[in-house]
Amino acid sequence: EDKVVQSPLSLVVHEGDTVTLNCSYEVTNFRSLLWYKQEKKAPTFLFMLTSSGIEKKSGRLSSILDKKELSSILNITATQTGDSAIYLCAVNNAGNMLTFGGGTRLMVKP
Amino acid sequence: DVKVTQSSRYLVKRTGEKVFLECVQDMDHENMFWYRQDPGLGLRLIYFSYDVKMKEKGDIPEGYSVSREKKERFSLILESASTNQTSMYLCASSLGLAGFLLYEQYFGPGTRLTVT
Repeated sequence: EDKVVQSPLSLVVHEGDTVTLNCSYEVTNFRSLLWYKQEKKAPTFLFMLTSSGIEKKSGRLSSILDKKELSSILNITATQTGDSAIYLCAVNNAGNMLTFGGGTRLMVKP
Repeated sequence: DVKVTQSSRYLVKRTGEKVFLECVQDMDHENMFWYRQDPGLGLRLIYFSYDVKMKEKGDIPEGYSVSREKKERFSLILESASTNQTSMYLCASSLGLAGFLLYEQYFGPGTRLTVT
């Protein structure tokens, strides 16, 4: 059975801190790994990763995939209160389906 | 911008009732998905559809059915609602498969369903 595990489950930091969120997976026929940010409503897309070692970056957020370790990290530098959200990792294993992890709840305090 | 809309934000139904959740997307996406989200369990796929009238079971299809009569609309049906179907339901859509890559999914705002 395909599995995606995220850690930590939750995290509380102060503004300005840097955080690293982890995602590990066990899937057959890995195709891509996606990161989403979910605030109060729907998840919004952050990154799609398909190749190991190539960092994707968007502002203060960056992510990288390690296919040997079957994992990915999401980094957020200089955190702001607006970064408070649930961060979801999902893996596309076959066809059009995604398997999601349980999410990491990040709270950034002023 | 892709827009995915869901018919209700909050819904309260009684056990045994038939429940329809509607999802509409406006970007001509081939794929549409229904997930439920529960604390500690993340998002779990119920059903997805890759074309009109086509559907595939996801991880937890029991107790649910779906309908896709038009490309832009994907309905989730609870034939006889039960209390364990109380959850947040999220609809998503994406472009079709391109080689072996999955395009990112765009999510609707969710429907919080309570079954009493």
